[in-house]
Amino acid sequence: AQKVTQAQTEISVVEKEDVTLDCVYETRDTTYYLFWYKQPPSGELVFLIRRNSFDEQNEISGRYSWNFQKSTSSFNFTITASQVVDSAVYFCALSEDVRGGGGNKLTFGTGTQLKVEL
Amino acid sequence: DGGITQSPKYLFRKEGQNVTLSCEQNLNHDAMYWYRQDPGQGLRLIYYSQIVNDFQKGDIAEGYSVSREKKESFPLTVTSAQKNPTAFYLCASKVFSGANQPQHFGDGTRLSIL
Repeated sequence: AQKVTQAQTEISVVEKEDVTLDCVYETRDTTYYLFWYKQPPSGELVFLIRRNSFDEQNEISGRYSWNFQKSTSSFNFTITASQVVDSAVYFCALSEDVRGGGGNKLTFGTGTQLKVEL
Repeated sequence: DGGITQSPKYLFRKEGQNVTLSCEQNLNHDAMYWYRQDPGQGLRLIYYSQIVNDFQKGDIAEGYSVSREKKESFPLTVTSAQKNPTAFYLCASKVFSGANQPQHFGDGTRLSIL
């Protein structure tokens, strides 16, 4: 069975600090997809990024960057120069490419609460 | 604007009562999902639907029911058999059921027991 672990329950940083959110996953499939979502206090989950299992290239988008390492089954998320608006719960999720219409369900980690203070 | 609309935002249930949460999307997405979120936990899948008139149980379907009569709508009923319904409920959709497509979420409904 697939599993996603976000060991950091809560992280507090001061504005402008860099912060890395960890995500470790387990799957027996060779083809899978990893996602990061942001949940601000309003409650809606906002999609941030998707990574395919066959593409280990790291990605940078503004202050956000993602480090995907298959060797350690990790997909970590770094925010550079954090801002108060980054305060939210961040979820890592895994989707397996299930043949036969298995629903392609997302398995979520328990989330990391990030608090950025002035 | 395209998006997913959940209503109501807050809902209260009395003992023994069934309540229905609404989820409507105008994104022309085929697949729709219902999740339950409890404090300190990730999202757990209740039900999902890949096409109209078809749906499957997720990991925690007991005490819940759904219907998918229209592509745009996927209402969730929390029945009296669900003994611990207090939670935050999120509806999601995606363009088709492929594993590589991200799900897009609504704003959620917070359900409490009176």
